[in-house]
Amino acid sequence: KQEVTQIPAALSVPEGENLVLNCSFTDSAIYNLQWFRQDPGKGLTSLLLIQSSQREQTSGRLNASLDKSSGRSTLYIAASQPGDSATYLCAAPGSGNTGKLIFGQGTTLQVKP
Amino acid sequence: SQTIHQWPATLVQPVGSPLSLECTVEGTSNPNLYWYRQAAGRGLQLLFYSVGIGQISSEVPQNLSASRPQDRQFILSSKKLLLSDSGFYLCAWTFDLSTYNSPLHFGNGTRLTVT
Repeated sequence: KQEVTQIPAALSVPEGENLVLNCSFTDSAIYNLQWFRQDPGKGLTSLLLIQSSQREQTSGRLNASLDKSSGRSTLYIAASQPGDSATYLCAAPGSGNTGKLIFGQGTTLQVKP
Repeated sequence: SQTIHQWPATLVQPVGSPLSLECTVEGTSNPNLYWYRQAAGRGLQLLFYSVGIGQISSEVPQNLSASRPQDRQFILSSKKLLLSDSGFYLCAWTFDLSTYNSPLHFGNGTRLTVT
């Protein structure tokens, strides 16, 4: 059974810092891993999807890496800005070929001006 | 391009009343559809998913049900709401399973408060 864990649960950093969010998963037989952003009271927005054949994926100041063998993914945010403040969730496919995703509890990020 | 619509945005219902939340997807055909619930401090929980019309898989036993009467329409229902049904309900879609590397796209959610 797939389980996804995110550390830390919350993070507060000053503006301009580079930071890393961590995600671990128990079942490494995944075909991709996804990172999402959620603003308070809103739905989730897809940030990055890393295919199992890839080691990393980049979008602007965001870089996500995937290490299936160790069951880990990281989301790197460069030069953080107050607008990056949100909850970041990672999700890995559940066991079985159903397309359902299992989500971590999320990391709530606050970037202080 | 594809869009997902979910309504209503907020809902306050008394205990024991019925529930119907609707979600529709535009711009694609035969999407995989999902209902998630996000309760305070409990993360995102998958409730139902559907890979086609009339095909519903339930993940968690509860007093909720789901239906997919049309290809791009997904409905979440309850005959009698419980206090524990309060939460943030999110509908989501992705392309079919033959496209494994398709992101999951979410609607804006429905905030349900059962009083």
